[in-house]
Formats: sequence, structure tokens, C-alpha cells
Amino acid sequence: QVQLQESGPGLVKPSETLSLTCTVSGDSISSYYWSWIRQPPGKGLEWIGYIHYSGSTNYNPSLKSRVTISVDTPKNQFSLKLSSVTAADTAVYFCASQWGGDWYFDLWGRGTLVTVSS
Amino acid sequence: QTVVTQEPSFSVSPGGTVTLTCGLTSGSVSTSFYPSWYQQTPGQAPRTLIYRTNTRSSGVPDRFSGSILANKAALTITGAQADDESDYYCVLYMGGGTSVFGGGTKLTVL
Repeated sequence: QVQLQESGPGLVKPSETLSLTCTVSGDSISSYYWSWIRQPPGKGLEWIGYIHYSGSTNYNPSLKSRVTISVDTPKNQFSLKLSSVTAADTAVYFCASQWGGDWYFDLWGRGTLVTVSS
Repeated sequence: QTVVTQEPSFSVSPGGTVTLTCGLTSGSVSTSFYPSWYQQTPGQAPRTLIYRTNTRSSGVPDRFSGSILANKAALTITGAQADDESDYYCVLYMGGGTSVFGGGTKLTVL
């Protein structure tokens, strides 16, 4: 059974960089696409971007200048970095597998709340 | 900028049928947008219901169905149950690897 688990600091200071890791268990990361999605408190979902195990990436245009997604194949992990954060970046961050071709989000992590505050 | 639109809220009676829609502020939704649908209850991760317009994800009851209706993607729940009360999100593939979520529909069963 494939599982995804987000990890990382729950509190980040304004103007700093948010860093999260998603660990994939039960399957190799060398398949699918791997996405990050976020949800501000009480609001809707927003796709942040994806990485393919080959290293190719694609980002939401509204976040592109601040986002980097990377993959660590030996560790079966992929990571998110979001720079210059503000309070508007406070959200639950989910990692998910995404099927290329059909482009839907298949499996989801439980999500982790990141609060941006001094 | 094209926005993906959903009804903010909807209500259905237990046992009733409801159709939620997913449209575009500019243009029509077709199967080429690979519409998918997700159910989310408070504090939980989303659950995948439908992908590729009308394919149910594993374990999803057949009372959930997807389609294209009047230039929008649609999610129909037939025989609504109390535990269908959730937020429902659609996603459209915009090409070039980019996906966009709709704003979500809060479904009340009462």
C-alpha cells in the first residue's frame, strides 16, 4: 500500500524559506509525477507544482518565481521550497501522486500545517 | 486569466440526486481537460472520486458519477447519504502540465 507523508517545520518566519519533504513508502518514486498542493485555513485547494522522477518540473505560474521542487530518488522523497514567505503562505500543505496522461491526483498525504509568523 | 468555477454551496435531501458543476470563466469544458473530482471533509486530506471525466477511483461507490453537461464537467450523486456532506473540488488540466482547482462546493445533506 502506497503512503505519502509530509514532514517539516510547522512555523516559518516571514521572508524566510519554507521547506517540506514528502516521503513515499510502498512504491518507488521512479514512477508517476509528484505534486504539492496547499490549502489556506478555511479556503480552497491550490496546486503548487509537480516533479517527475526524471527531474522535470512544472509550477503554478502564480508561485513560479518562489517555488522549487526537487526529488531524491535513493531516499524515495521529494521536497518543496517556497521562498520569501508571507502570512498568505500559511496553509496545510499536501503532497500527492499525479498520473501523467490523465493528470489527476491519485494518492494524498495527510497534510501538514505550516504557519508563517514572527 | 481563466478561472475554474464551481457552485459555492448546494444542498440535497437524503436519498436525493444532486449535480455539481465545474466550468470555465472563458470557454467550455471538454474531456480534453481531463476533469477530476475530489471529496474533502474537515481536517482530512482530499479523497479522489472521479478522474478522466467519468472513471471512478478505486472503492468509490457507483452512486458517484462524472460527465460533461452543457459545456461543464459535472459530478452527480444519486441517492445522497448523510456522509456525502463534504466539500467537493474539481480539477481541470490546462495543458503544459498545469492543473487548476475550482473553488470548491460545500454540499449539505438535509
